[in-house]
Amino acid sequence: GQNIDQPTEMTATEGAIVQINCTYQTSGFNGLFWYQQHAGEAPTFLSYNVLDGLEEKGRFSSFLSRSKGYSYLLLKELQMKDSASYLCAVNNDMRFGAGTRLTVKP
Amino acid sequence: DAGVIQSPRHEVTEMGQEVTLRCKPISGHNSLFWYRQTMMRGLELLIYFNNNVPIDDSGMPEDRFSAKMPNASFSTLKIQPSEPRDSAVYFCASSLLAGAAGELFFGEGSRLTVL
Repeated sequence: GQNIDQPTEMTATEGAIVQINCTYQTSGFNGLFWYQQHAGEAPTFLSYNVLDGLEEKGRFSSFLSRSKGYSYLLLKELQMKDSASYLCAVNNDMRFGAGTRLTVKP
Repeated sequence: DAGVIQSPRHEVTEMGQEVTLRCKPISGHNSLFWYRQTMMRGLELLIYFNNNVPIDDSGMPEDRFSAKMPNASFSTLKIQPSEPRDSAVYFCASSLLAGAAGELFFGEGSRLTVL
């Protein structure tokens, strides 16, 4: 089985940087995913990490440390439209954490 | 290309009635996932299929729930009999890779309300 922990809620200011953490415990590891879900919509893929280190994709970056069972999603130059839930999922059976609801304020 | 297609988008039914949710995955995708989402429990994996074969159904709540995938282009999730606690948004998702991690493409969801 696996256990995934994320903060429930976070608030940040437009233009700032925010880091959303995800810790996990799993027997076996094949990769970690981040998804974004706006209220009332379906989740959409953001990033995938299988090796340690930072993967950068525009304003969004994702970091993984397999030895620590830890990942984070870094959002830069926050925009109002980034207000959403961010979901972490590990392994190839695609079970998600509870998600972090991010609110971006002006 | 069409994405994952789910139907119905909304359903309101009475306790005890049978509910059937339908999903058409993206053509060529080999894995299909059913999820349930509520405020209290988040996004829960119910079952997933690889190449039309159920791989893990440990998330199916109880015997009232059943899922089938008779062919590569169609899957159903059935609840019989339905109960108010089944009220949720049910998402179907598909992935290109079978048996391995791959980006999930979600349908728009079926919002179920059981009165």
